[in-house]
Parts: sequence; structure tokens; C-alpha cells
Amino acid sequence: GDSVTQMEGPVTLSEEAFLTINCTYTATGYPSLFWYVQYPGEGLQLLLKATKADDKGSNKGFEATYRKETTSFHLEKGSVQVSDSAVYFCALPSSGGYQKVTFGTGTKLQVIP
Amino acid sequence: DGGITQSPKYLFRKEGQNVTLSCEQNLNHDAMYWYRQDPGQGLRLIYYSQIVNDFQKGDIAEGYSVSREKKESFPLTVTSAQKNPTAFYLCASSFSGQNTEAFFGQGTRLTVV
Repeated sequence: GDSVTQMEGPVTLSEEAFLTINCTYTATGYPSLFWYVQYPGEGLQLLLKATKADDKGSNKGFEATYRKETTSFHLEKGSVQVSDSAVYFCALPSSGGYQKVTFGTGTKLQVIP
Repeated sequence: DGGITQSPKYLFRKEGQNVTLSCEQNLNHDAMYWYRQDPGQGLRLIYYSQIVNDFQKGDIAEGYSVSREKKESFPLTVTSAQKNPTAFYLCASSFSGQNTEAFFGQGTRLTVV
């Protein structure tokens, strides 16, 4: 079945450091791929998405490229800020006829000044 | 403003009691979902509904019940049969069809005392 594997956290970085959070997936066909962000005590918000191979999603300085050959969708940001501290989830919508989303386990990011 | 609203934000329950968590959306979404979030385990699907008066079990439905009498509302009841109900519960909604993004509520933190 569909699955998402995300790098383990927590990740602690200094402000302005480079961020990479790895995500690989297993799926039937070529689904869209999502990154969601969860700030402390809140629900999830869509951060970015890519709908087909080689697409690059971007938002708020974050980027992720849909790599079909490596089945990956790694999240990157060139210079993190304290306000980026949150939990990040890689997600994969199902290949079935309904919108069921498989989430990774989440990666907690802490950015220190 | 369109959105999805969960209430209450915090809920305390005595052992042996049933409690109902509210979820309302005004986004005109057909599909609604309930997820449970535990530390280090990501999100797990409890129930989902694609249309009014219809719903299906997710991966961890035991000890929970739902109803979908209106398009806007998808309440979740945590019954006394749920052995470990303390968790953060997230409601989401989306348009039907593949590869569409889900919108999340702010969550309800349930604690059994």
C-alpha cells in the first residue's frame, strides 16, 4: 500500500542555517505530494505541493521537488528563522477514488537564535 | 471567513464517559475526516465521510463513532470502549476527488482524568 517515510527528528538548527527534511514515498501511479506544517498547539496547514514529476512546490522560502526516479520529495529552505519552528509532515494522497491522505510521522524543527 | 472549526479546544473526560467532539466547516467540502495525533506517531485516520449520511472506518475506528447528518458537520464521539483516548484530535475537510488538499481545524486536546 501507499506509504511515506520521513526523516526522524527533532532537528535543531541555528537561525539562518540551511534546512533539509527528507521524505520518500511508495505509491501506485503518480500522485500529488504535499508538505504540511503544524505550529505548536494548532492544526495542520498546507505548506506546499507538487502535482507531477519534476514539479517544484514553493512557499514562504521553502521548496520541494517531486523526484520520480528517487521517489522523493525533500523539503528545503536556505535560511531558517525562529518562526519556522514547527512540525513538518510529508503527505501522499491515496491512489484510490477518494481523498485519503497518508502522512509521514512528522519532523519537529527547532530553530534557535 | 471560510474555514473549519473544532470545539472545544481542550476537553477533559472521566473514565467510562462518552464525549463528543464538534467539527463544522463552511467551505462547501463534500469530504470530512477525523485524525488522531499521538507524539511520534504522526496522524492516524479514525473515520472519514465522502457524502452526507455515509461514512467509513479508517485505520483506528474501534472505540469511536461518527455521524454525518449535514454536509457542514461531522461530530466524533469517543466512547468508553476506547482504551486510550488521551490524544490530540484533528478534523479535516476537502473537495472530493484525487490529489486535492485537506484543510484542518485547530484540533481538540482530549485528556482522560
